[in-house]
Amino acid sequence: EVQLLESGGGLVQPGGSLRLSCAASGFTFSSHSMSWVRQPPGKGLEWVSSIIGSGDTTYYADSVKGRFTISRDISKNTLYLQLKSLRAEDTAVYYCAKPADDYWGQGTLVTVSS
Amino acid sequence: DIQMTQSPSSLSASVGDRVTITCRASQGIRNDLGWYQQKPGKAPKRLIYAASRLQSGVPSRFSGSGSGTEFTLTISSLQPEDFATYYCLEHNSYPRITFGQGTRLEIK
Repeated sequence: EVQLLESGGGLVQPGGSLRLSCAASGFTFSSHSMSWVRQPPGKGLEWVSSIIGSGDTTYYADSVKGRFTISRDISKNTLYLQLKSLRAEDTAVYYCAKPADDYWGQGTLVTVSS
Repeated sequence: DIQMTQSPSSLSASVGDRVTITCRASQGIRNDLGWYQQKPGKAPKRLIYAASRLQSGVPSRFSGSGSGTEFTLTISSLQPEDFATYYCLEHNSYPRITFGQGTRLEIK
């Protein structure tokens, strides 16, 4: 059974940093591209970032480029999203996902507020 | 970048009704589109992939059509469990993907 388990969300002040983790199991993690998708409270879904292969190739939405960094540790079957220079508009549930196969985590809430 | 315009943004309907939701892409995306259902507090769940293929386990009252720039999700006879929010998702420029704005389907 495929499982994606996010962790690391929480309350952070504007300008602060946070690292989200996503522990993957039930599929060959190293062979698959992975993504982060977020959803602000009461709003729609927004693609944030994707990583291809072993991690050499990464992609970002314009809204997070230069502030967020996606990475993966194949030895730990874990996907990461480093969030820096956080803003109030980054407040959202962050999902780890492999949309091509309809694999989704349960989400972790990031709240940016003073 | 590809833009996805989904309509309507909200819809009120009754059990047994037939409903249609539309997504329009800003440029041709072949059939690289899926439809997702999301219920409060839950992750999205895919209903349709490749524009018209029914995901395993999804009831046959759900169907998708379209190619290029115009896509449609149809629910032939609404059931109580279908009241949720629906999104289209294009992956033509994968790994960059774009969601539609969502359609909130409410009970009339």
